[in-house]
Amino acid sequence: EVQLVESGGGLVQPGRSVRLSCIASGFSFGDYAITWFRQAPGKGLEWVGFIRGKPYGGTTEYAASVKGRFSISRDDSKSIAYLQMDSLKTDDTAVYYCTRGPAGDPWGQGTLVTVSS
Amino acid sequence: DIVMTQSPDSLAVSLGERATINCKSSQTVLYSSNNKNYLAWYQQKPGQPPKLLIHWASMRESGVPDRFSGGGSGTDFTLTISSLQTEDVAVYYCQQYYNSPLTFGGGTKVEIK
Repeated sequence: EVQLVESGGGLVQPGRSVRLSCIASGFSFGDYAITWFRQAPGKGLEWVGFIRGKPYGGTTEYAASVKGRFSISRDDSKSIAYLQMDSLKTDDTAVYYCTRGPAGDPWGQGTLVTVSS
Repeated sequence: DIVMTQSPDSLAVSLGERATINCKSSQTVLYSSNNKNYLAWYQQKPGQPPKLLIHWASMRESGVPDRFSGGGSGTDFTLTISSLQTEDVAVYYCQQYYNSPLTFGGGTKVEIK
């Protein structure tokens, strides 16, 4: 069964950093892009960024709202992807999801990041 | 950026009746080299993550009931629930993955009338 599990969320102060993890299982992790999305409380879905799979160079792309503050990396030997979030703002408060591929399938349960003083 | 516009914002349909959701992209999401529309539909129930229902605009995911169907091409797409069931109450989103930034429609809330 294909599964992704996010972790690392919590309460963080504005300007600080947090790193989210996405642990994958049930598929050949290195072959796939991993995409991060987020959903602010009561709002719609927003793309954060993705990292391509090894066959496509493992390159990254980011939404304009997070570019320069967030970075995505991956450890294919452990089937884990990371979302490093720096210089956090209150607007970054959301549930963060990782998914396999750009058309997210499947989605993890998400991890809540609350940015507040 | 490709802007995705969904309509209506909400929809109340009687059990067993048809529900149709529209999604329009500001530019084509049809990739001419492979004739595929880079358009997905998701279902999100309260307190749950989104679930992929359809990709390539019309290809139903494994396990998705056949009452769900996707159609359209280029810039205009639809998601149809042919016979609404109680378990279909949810918010539905379209998303383009033709290029970055990946973008979503604003969502359509489907309820029972």
